[in-house]
Amino acid sequence: KAGVTQTPRYLIKTRGQQVTLSCSPISGHRSVSWYQQTPGQGLQFLFEYFSETQRNKGNFPGRFSGRQFSNSRSEMNVSTLELGDSALYLCASSLGQGDGIFFGSGTQLSVL
Amino acid sequence: QKEVEQNSGPLSVPEGAIASLNCTYSDRGSQSFFWYRQYSGKSPELIMSIYSNGDKEDGRFTAQLNKASQYVSLLIRDSQPSDSATYLCAVWGSSNTGKLIFGQGTTLQVKP
Repeated sequence: KAGVTQTPRYLIKTRGQQVTLSCSPISGHRSVSWYQQTPGQGLQFLFEYFSETQRNKGNFPGRFSGRQFSNSRSEMNVSTLELGDSALYLCASSLGQGDGIFFGSGTQLSVL
Repeated sequence: QKEVEQNSGPLSVPEGAIASLNCTYSDRGSQSFFWYRQYSGKSPELIMSIYSNGDKEDGRFTAQLNKASQYVSLLIRDSQPSDSATYLCAVWGSSNTGKLIFGQGTTLQVKP
């Protein structure tokens, strides 16, 4: 069974630009979550989607948004990039709330 | 008070010893608990889940849960240098908060 697939693996952007990250969950998993990981803050929850609906959102500004498609694939968008957005962005999928989540390899975003 | 707390370490143990990693959580209604292992430069990997009070063993790993004390632990027996990694404790919040909350992680170093 294929794992969670994230693309791209690395991204370099400049301040003010926007970026879109993509995630394909494990087959059969309908819940997709996004996390930001930085050395100082650890793993911070961004949002969670289930059946194309955002069920929960973390404490991030509105520049961070996402969506989920009918095939459970998900995208995350960050607009007007800031230097502080440099981080590892991790997508994870699960069968549902209360279950363990399985991470993809992540997208390492660098904002210059 | 942080929702999930771990000692950041590093925790250093000699090869062959037992490593004990601890975690406390604040939401008394939490029902699902997980341990993830993260190697440097990699994404977190789910290694243990526990839902009921008591011990759960899987190979060299034992997870322990005490809901009354709001305490979760992970024991690694016969520690190997390959166990050197950061271990993240994760807890699903109660009332369908919809997010898996992670601790900051404990760095384990196993010395040959």
